[in-house]
Amino acid sequence: DVKVTQSSRYLVKRTGEKVFLECVQDMDHENMFWYRQDPGLGLRLIYFSYDVKMKEKGDIPEGYSVSREKKERFSLILESASTNQTSMYLCASLGVGPPSGNTGELFFGEGSRLTVL
Amino acid sequence: GQNIDQPTEMTATEGAIVQINCTYQTSGFNGLFWYQQHAGEAPTFLSYNVLDGLEEKGRFSSFLSRSKGYSYLLLKELQMKDSASYLCAVRDGTGRRALTFGSGTRLQVQP
Repeated sequence: DVKVTQSSRYLVKRTGEKVFLECVQDMDHENMFWYRQDPGLGLRLIYFSYDVKMKEKGDIPEGYSVSREKKERFSLILESASTNQTSMYLCASLGVGPPSGNTGELFFGEGSRLTVL
Repeated sequence: GQNIDQPTEMTATEGAIVQINCTYQTSGFNGLFWYQQHAGEAPTFLSYNVLDGLEEKGRFSSFLSRSKGYSYLLLKELQMKDSASYLCAVRDGTGRRALTFGSGTRLQVQP
């Protein structure tokens, strides 16, 4: 089975702090994504990466950056956390071969619930 | 822009059938996905449609009409464990590999 692991399930940070959210996948997938999930707004794409060292902005990149130094790891960085970044953050991965190859489904981690005070 | 609409909440009775609708307007189309998400857990993949018609997978079926920009997820023989949010997501035709998600439908199954 594909496993996407997010390092922290729950975090509480203060306004202005730098926050790192880590995500690791074990299926050698090329593509990785960061979404945030908020009630009534669904999942919104923050950043994505199709390859090591490569990153692209999603629909709501403001206030975030990412790092992909290794294929299996995709990190989301909040340079200076703000209260409006309190949310559930979901990492996902996608491969071009099995098991994603036929449908292109995304595999999600358990999520990191971040509270910024 | 991209727009995906689905009802916010639905309630159904154990053992019954429920249909969750999804309409979408996207820049091209390259597949529609349904995910299930229990509270506090990761979304898990349920179904995928890229051609018109019905895809059946056990108690769950998903239908797609590309000309109408419409899909539904049909859940039969509802069980209490089916209480969850159901997310409709589309891969558009721009070559972007990410999925665009609707806001989700929260289904409550009652005894």
